[in-house]
Amino acid sequence: LAKTTQPISMDSYEGQEVNITCSHNNIATNDYITWYQQFPSQGPRFIIQGYKTKVTNEVASLFIPADRKSSTLSLPRVSLSDTAVYYCLVGEGDNTDKLIFGTGTRLQVFP
Amino acid sequence: NAGVTQTPKFRILKIGQSMTLQCTQDMNHNYMYWYRQDPGMGLKLIYYSVGAGITDKGEVPNGYNVSRSTTEDFPLRLELAAPSQTSVYFCASLGGGWSGNTIYFGEGSWLTVV
Repeated sequence: LAKTTQPISMDSYEGQEVNITCSHNNIATNDYITWYQQFPSQGPRFIIQGYKTKVTNEVASLFIPADRKSSTLSLPRVSLSDTAVYYCLVGEGDNTDKLIFGTGTRLQVFP
Repeated sequence: NAGVTQTPKFRILKIGQSMTLQCTQDMNHNYMYWYRQDPGMGLKLIYYSVGAGITDKGEVPNGYNVSRSTTEDFPLRLELAAPSQTSVYFCASLGGGWSGNTIYFGEGSWLTVV
């Protein structure tokens, strides 16, 4: 099973960089790693996706080491509006169609 | 663009009643998913489908049934509702295979069983 493990919660202050790491020791060789953000009472929304090395978009960066057993979501200069739960998502082992969310990381950003 | 549409948005059921949560997507996606999310908890996969006529169990399938007669629709049936099924239910769809694609979520259906 490609179970993911993330820290339960993290605190930060506005303007700081936040790094959230997810471990996925049994990720399939053809599987991607995707991160989602969820606000209360809303469905998750896509942040970033990657397969290996580094991916960057307008809101975040994703770092994936060569062994792909973990990944780190980096949020530069967070603001209060980044307070949310962040999930990393991979397929379940060789069945990459069965998408299992981890427990998520609750990020609290303070002024 | 409607995307993924779920109905109803809110529903109160009595113990033992049955109901169907509807989910429709207009993106011609083959893959569809049902998740539930209990208060303060993460998302749990109930059932998923990789195409019309094909469904598979997720992490927490007990007490639920699904069907996939068309590409667009993926209804979730609750039989004999129990208080433990009080939750928010999210439907999602994915175009093609998982690799390199992203999931689109509906707005959720809030279900209370009393």
